[in-house]
Amino acid sequence: SAVISQKPSRDICQRGTSLTIQCQVDSQVTMMFWYRQQPGQSLTLIATANQGSEATYESGFVIDKFPISRPNLTFSTLTVSNMSPEDSSIYLCSVYRDRGPNEQFFGPGTRLTVL
Amino acid sequence: DAKTTQPTSMDCAEGRAANLPCNHSTISGNEYVYWYRQIHSQGPQYIIHGLKNNETNEMASLIITEDRKSSTLILPHATLRDTAVYYCIVRVGIYGNKLVFGAGTILRVKS
Repeated sequence: SAVISQKPSRDICQRGTSLTIQCQVDSQVTMMFWYRQQPGQSLTLIATANQGSEATYESGFVIDKFPISRPNLTFSTLTVSNMSPEDSSIYLCSVYRDRGPNEQFFGPGTRLTVL
Repeated sequence: DAKTTQPTSMDCAEGRAANLPCNHSTISGNEYVYWYRQIHSQGPQYIIHGLKNNETNEMASLIITEDRKSSTLILPHATLRDTAVYYCIVRVGIYGNKLVFGAGTILRVKS
């Protein structure tokens, strides 16, 4: 399975501030995704992180609020900007390996609490 | 992608088979059925996927009806560690297309 690490694993932030979450994969992957899981809810796809171009956002998510970087094939960041308590969620990075079984792997998640 | 319907929760006795149903009546011919599970506080874990044939791996079996409108995930000998939320997802193609998660089924395995 792909080894995915996320930093930080958890954080508590004040409203109005921003937090950048890092996702590192142990091998090059073409497809990377960012998901949000609000308390007690299922996962919601935020965007597809594209290497060398702007991320592709799902309906309801915008670049100004969730800017994403993808500088290479093993790394991506998601920033949660101008945070409010409603942004308190687990944020998960997910990837497809370019070779091997056709399954999507998920990172351990970043648990964010906004006060 | 087609919508799926799953029961909100199920209980299963430890050591018994857990049978988790999923309805996907609007599934298209090129859509696969995927199953993932999420154990508390962890990222989702892939279990199995299939197109129209039944599939089996070391974790589970997937039974897809002939009309493909429903499927059942079978955990043959459930253990306490199988307590998790199980997601049934249908998606076009295999590689690279995004997964869209529904509400899932909370499976509680009890001793």
